Amino acid sequence: AQSVAQPEDQVNVAEGNPLTVKCTYSVSGNPYLFWYVQYPNRGLQFLLKYITGDNLVKGSYGFEAEFNKSQTSFHLKKPSALVSDSALYFCAVRDIRTGGFKTIFGAGTRLFVKA
Amino acid sequence: EAQVTQNPRYLITVTGKKLTVTCSQNMNHEYMSWYRQDPGLGLRQIYYSMNVEVTDKGDVPEGYKVSRKEKRNFPLILESPSPNQTSLYFCASSPRDESYEQYFGPGTRLTVT
Repeated sequence: AQSVAQPEDQVNVAEGNPLTVKCTYSVSGNPYLFWYVQYPNRGLQFLLKYITGDNLVKGSYGFEAEFNKSQTSFHLKKPSALVSDSALYFCAVRDIRTGGFKTIFGAGTRLFVKA
Repeated sequence: EAQVTQNPRYLITVTGKKLTVTCSQNMNHEYMSWYRQDPGLGLRQIYYSMNVEVTDKGDVPEGYKVSRKEKRNFPLILESPSPNQTSLYFCASSPRDESYEQYFGPGTRLTVT
């Protein structure tokens, strides 16, 4: 079965330091991978995606993610964290076996950036 | 402005009283979906729709119904709500191609007592 794991419930980082939010996946075939962010009392917003091509993808607000096929990982990164990055982050995969119409989300990782 | 809207945003109801949460998008997207968000479980897909009159079950469809009579609307129906359906619900839409990201509504917080 297809699945997404975010092994950390919470990540704490000081402002200005690099941050990493981890995501691993299990899919049949080539994965379509996504990162979304949720700010308090808001819906999810798209950050970035990996479909094919370069393993390092860049997205909104200075975020990037590295696709690693051998480790089945898609970790979210940012070189220098901001307090305003504090939010809930979700990794997701679209199930290509069903034509991409089913989407599986990880449980989410709460990021706290301390000033 | 391109957006997904949901109504109501907040709803408190009692067990067994039928309710409908509406979802509408103005981006002409073929694909629409409903999710529920629960602490520690992330988002779980309830139902999705690939186009008008075409719907299918997600991972947690029990107790829910949907319909897609128009491209822009995708209402979620709870015929007989129960307390275990207390949750935060999100509607989302995207173009049909699975490589596209989804656009999410603001959420509906439902409490069933």
